[in-house]
Amino acid sequence: DAGITQSPRHKVTETGTPVTLRCHQTENHRYMYWYRQDPGHGLRLIHYSYGVKDTDKGEVSDGYSVSRSKTEDFLLTLESATSSQTSVYFCATGTDPSTGELFFGEGSRLTVL
Amino acid sequence: RKEVEQDPGPFNVPEGATVAFNCTYSNSASQSFFWYRQDCRKEPKLLMSVYSSGNEDGRFTAQLNRASQYISLLIRDSKLSDSATYLCVVNIKGGGADGLTFGKGTHLIIQP
Repeated sequence: DAGITQSPRHKVTETGTPVTLRCHQTENHRYMYWYRQDPGHGLRLIHYSYGVKDTDKGEVSDGYSVSRSKTEDFLLTLESATSSQTSVYFCATGTDPSTGELFFGEGSRLTVL
Repeated sequence: RKEVEQDPGPFNVPEGATVAFNCTYSNSASQSFFWYRQDCRKEPKLLMSVYSSGNEDGRFTAQLNRASQYISLLIRDSKLSDSATYLCVVNIKGGGADGLTFGKGTHLIIQP
């Protein structure tokens, strides 16, 4: 399995506080992604990166920002968390989007009270 | 119409039976298709790609019907360990990184 680790794995925070989730990979994959997964919805893309300092918005990017200063790290930041951002967040990596093969981290469960 | 639709189930199937489920997609320009598997409270993992000619991997067979815009997954001789949620994934933007669209998943329960 690809070496993808997410931290923290679980977090409870209060509305209005900033939150940063970290994704670290050891596979040297070019592409990195942040998804959220909620009941009644499929995985939805928040942001993705196609290289160091190269990022773009996904389907549900409002309220989120990302940064990728190194190939191996992709950070997701909620500047001011809201209850609607309570979710399970998955980081994924890949080499070629056309193959459809993504390697996912174990997920980070975020609860915003 | 949603871009990728799946019957959420659950499909309750006795061990050893054959089960099949479909996934429909709305964008006729979609070019690539995949099935992922997700165990309860775990991350999704690629199960198999779906090729135009259909493809088989052990007990699993995937097929694509472009005319009717659906893909299917068939599992033969089902095992207890096949219990999971199966996610249909379609790349709707010709292979772009932001084009992978996930269905909500079909929940499969194999019963002893």
